[in-house]
Amino acid sequence: SAVISQKPSRDICQRGTSLTIQCQVDSQVTMMFWYRQQPGQSLTLIATANQGSEATYESGFVIDKFPISRPNLTFSTLTVSNMSPEDSSIYLCSARTGVGTEAFFGQGTRLTVV
Amino acid sequence: GQQVMQIPQYQHVQEGEDFTTYCNSSTTLSNIQWYKQRPGGHPVFLIQLVKSGEVKKQKRLTFQFGEAKKNSSLHITATQTTDVGTYFCAGLDSNYQLIWGAGTKLIIKP
Repeated sequence: SAVISQKPSRDICQRGTSLTIQCQVDSQVTMMFWYRQQPGQSLTLIATANQGSEATYESGFVIDKFPISRPNLTFSTLTVSNMSPEDSSIYLCSARTGVGTEAFFGQGTRLTVV
Repeated sequence: GQQVMQIPQYQHVQEGEDFTTYCNSSTTLSNIQWYKQRPGGHPVFLIQLVKSGEVKKQKRLTFQFGEAKKNSSLHITATQTTDVGTYFCAGLDSNYQLIWGAGTKLIIKP
């Protein structure tokens, strides 16, 4: 199993600013992911964080808006850049130890952009 | 793209009644996973089904994977207040990506 620490747990930010969310896993994992979840909705995959290389983004998400880093097997960051109210959501870090294994999640970051 | 449809979106039940949620994929899945998300919480893994026709039980929860590995269900017998939350299925596709269903919210009527 894996325990994921994600911070901050919540933030209220001014539009036009950027927020970086950190995700720390307590063990080495193969895959790390970033999701967005609107209240009452399902999970939308933003990108797969690749160790030491550029993240793989899903359709509708771009690196300039959501830069992601993963310097090692246990740590990743997601930045939400030039925020607007439409970026208000819950952002979730996730990790899997192998291709067919379960996903573990951080506690989430509740972002409100005003 | 590949989709996993999950129904119903909501289910209101009296405590003690049963609850069922269904998932259906447009393509064959490598496996299917089920998660529970409590209000204000994050998704927590419940179980994974891999084999065609597989049935697994966890106390009052019964999980099934269809013969064609395209559909799955979760059935809860005699719901309790602790069962409240949203249940998601997530299918593992051929690229080992998890494709998430929309979720079914279990609401216990007061």
